[in-house]
Amino acid sequence: DGGITQSPKYLFRKEGQNVTLSCEQNLNHDAMYWYRQDPGQGLRLIYYSQIVNDFQKGDIAEGYSVSREKKESFPLTVTSAQKNPTAFYLCASRLGYNEQFFGPGTRLTVL
Amino acid sequence: AQKVTQAQTEISVVEKEDVTLDCVYETRDTTYYLFWYKQPPSGELVFLIRRNSFDEQNEISGRYSWNFQKSTSSFNFTITASQVVDSAVYFCALSERDNYGQNFVFGPGTRLSVLP
Repeated sequence: DGGITQSPKYLFRKEGQNVTLSCEQNLNHDAMYWYRQDPGQGLRLIYYSQIVNDFQKGDIAEGYSVSREKKESFPLTVTSAQKNPTAFYLCASRLGYNEQFFGPGTRLTVL
Repeated sequence: AQKVTQAQTEISVVEKEDVTLDCVYETRDTTYYLFWYKQPPSGELVFLIRRNSFDEQNEISGRYSWNFQKSTSSFNFTITASQVVDSAVYFCALSERDNYGQNFVFGPGTRLSVLP
């Protein structure tokens, strides 16, 4: 089955720690995206990548970093510089001008 | 600049009522794409429909229907005979052809509660 997987589903982080959220897709999509969603709010774009080895900042990139070494993978690192990282993180992929497909999300909580 | 407005923050209906979710968009592009997504309590966004700017034909899929009107820049979503399982947050989104990549803009969402 083709799709997008995100791991872990729940993640707890101590203040000052970096954590990496995984996103993998086997849909052969070129573009991949990371969004942040706070409770009761909409989606905000963190980073996106249109091709391997290239990525662009979205609206709220500060405190986050990404890499795109493989077409299938687009991991997101939440660094200690991110002041309020507790949120729901969604990864998506897209082929051309078609719809975005989303993964199940990762809920990050800072303790 | 592109923008999507969903003026209804929350809607509550009783089961079997019909409900319409409004979506108004702004774009300077002549070719663009509109989408609706459903986000149930589990959190994952589920794709519902995609509509191209050059295709104004309305669409019906079971209890769901969509009304696309370029003259008013609206892409409204109607659920007929609503069910409790329809309770979710619904997002409208816009994508411009000339701004591929960063251009997937979501509206703020409408939270629909269907009461038994």
